[in-house]
Amino acid sequence: QSVLTQPPSVSGAPGQRVIISCSGSSSNIGAGSDVHWYQQLPGKAPRVVIYDNDNRPSGVPDRFSGSKSGTSATLAITGLQAEDEADYYCQSYDSSLSVVIFGGGTKLTVL
Amino acid sequence: QVQLQESGSGLLKTSQTLSLTCTVSGGYVNSDSYSWSWSWIRQPPGKGLEWIGHIDRGDNDYSNPSLESRATILADRSKNQFSLKLYSVTAADTAVYFCARVSGGPFYGHFDPWGQGILVTVSS
Repeated sequence: QSVLTQPPSVSGAPGQRVIISCSGSSSNIGAGSDVHWYQQLPGKAPRVVIYDNDNRPSGVPDRFSGSKSGTSATLAITGLQAEDEADYYCQSYDSSLSVVIFGGGTKLTVL
Repeated sequence: QVQLQESGSGLLKTSQTLSLTCTVSGGYVNSDSYSWSWSWIRQPPGKGLEWIGHIDRGDNDYSNPSLESRATILADRSKNQFSLKLYSVTAADTAVYFCARVSGGPFYGHFDPWGQGILVTVSS
């Protein structure tokens, strides 16, 4: 069971907006640790799509955005496309456990 | 553009030592090797990601407490390589192992880029 909680799956039709949540606690996200988001296509290595809560690396479409509030963070994807179908993971740091932590992952299905 | 490539033994027996190397290439290789922290992350088949540990710019290594001190990370920056050793492996250590560069602080930063990953299978 992951310290960061994500929904196992989300889905949306092409063009729609989906949100993936990442729920933590006062010892990680709530303590001020930054949240990062990764996209993992089948059989591939993860790649960062949002870092430091709400920053988008070059090359990542502006359809991807991130936010953080309290002990939670969210990844939003607008204008959903078939190529967005992948697993998404959030990542942060837990100061009580002294460990880098990942959410359990969310499978995004584009209907 | 920095690229990472994992190499090492892909098939082990219970109680053996897992030994992997990550080679950094491209970009400003020398400065990248000495200026950054480097990490290992693994993913059991069909499961999520788990941080194994990292080595920082001062060559201090940190590992996940869940591994009970079985992991050691070393760096040979003159060769643009860093390595992972995981002792006394069991079937639970079967996973795809990724190396990655840490951007930002060693614990608070994000991983970018990643290597393609290498599957390590532990059997009895």
